[in-house]
Amino acid sequence: GAVVSQHPSWVICKSGTSVKIECRSLDFQATTMFWYRQFPKQSLMLMATSNEGSKATYEQGVEKDKFLINHASLTLSTLTVTSAHPEDSSFYICSARNERGAYEQYFGPGTRLTVT
Amino acid sequence: DAKTTQPPSMDCAEGRAANLPCNHSTISGNEYVYWYRQIHSQGPQYIIHGLKNNETNEMASLIITEDRKSSTLILPHATLRDTAVYYCIVRVGGGNQGGKLIFGQGTELSVKP
Repeated sequence: GAVVSQHPSWVICKSGTSVKIECRSLDFQATTMFWYRQFPKQSLMLMATSNEGSKATYEQGVEKDKFLINHASLTLSTLTVTSAHPEDSSFYICSARNERGAYEQYFGPGTRLTVT
Repeated sequence: DAKTTQPPSMDCAEGRAANLPCNHSTISGNEYVYWYRQIHSQGPQYIIHGLKNNETNEMASLIITEDRKSSTLILPHATLRDTAVYYCIVRVGGGNQGGKLIFGQGTELSVKP
């Protein structure tokens, strides 16, 4: 299957700082990417849909000023957690949709964020 | 939005077929059923998807009932590495060429030796 990468795979930051997570589709172009968050022993929760060249669409209850999404190219989307707090500690997973062929959606390996 | 219902957990003996059921009684005519699995602390892995016909690939088979209200994912010869949480998802919006995947709670499959 197609490959989606994330960087970093894990990060620890201090409360009040900002953290940027990158998501790349390595062997296909993705007009649409998605960002999910997963807390321990819970399912994935969709945070936002990222569209190349336009503003992201956020799910209800997700603060767009706190979770900044930029989708500047067909292979790269970034999520910036601004002014991070301990409650933002979570597993962040991106996903990219392959819009040639059967529109499968592929997921990255995830980024573990710990805010101290 | 079509919702899915799955049993929270299942066990399967190694080497046997694992049959994972999913109910999606409110599915619309142009909504596809997708299956993903997630091994602990990894991103979800695509398995298979279908609309109304049964589908098979190298990983699994997907059987969709004629009324499309339920489906079954079949892993023909389960191995220990198939232990994971399996998610049945109905794509919300956009048929097969758009929309988004909303995850439910999934089925935790344990394959035992």
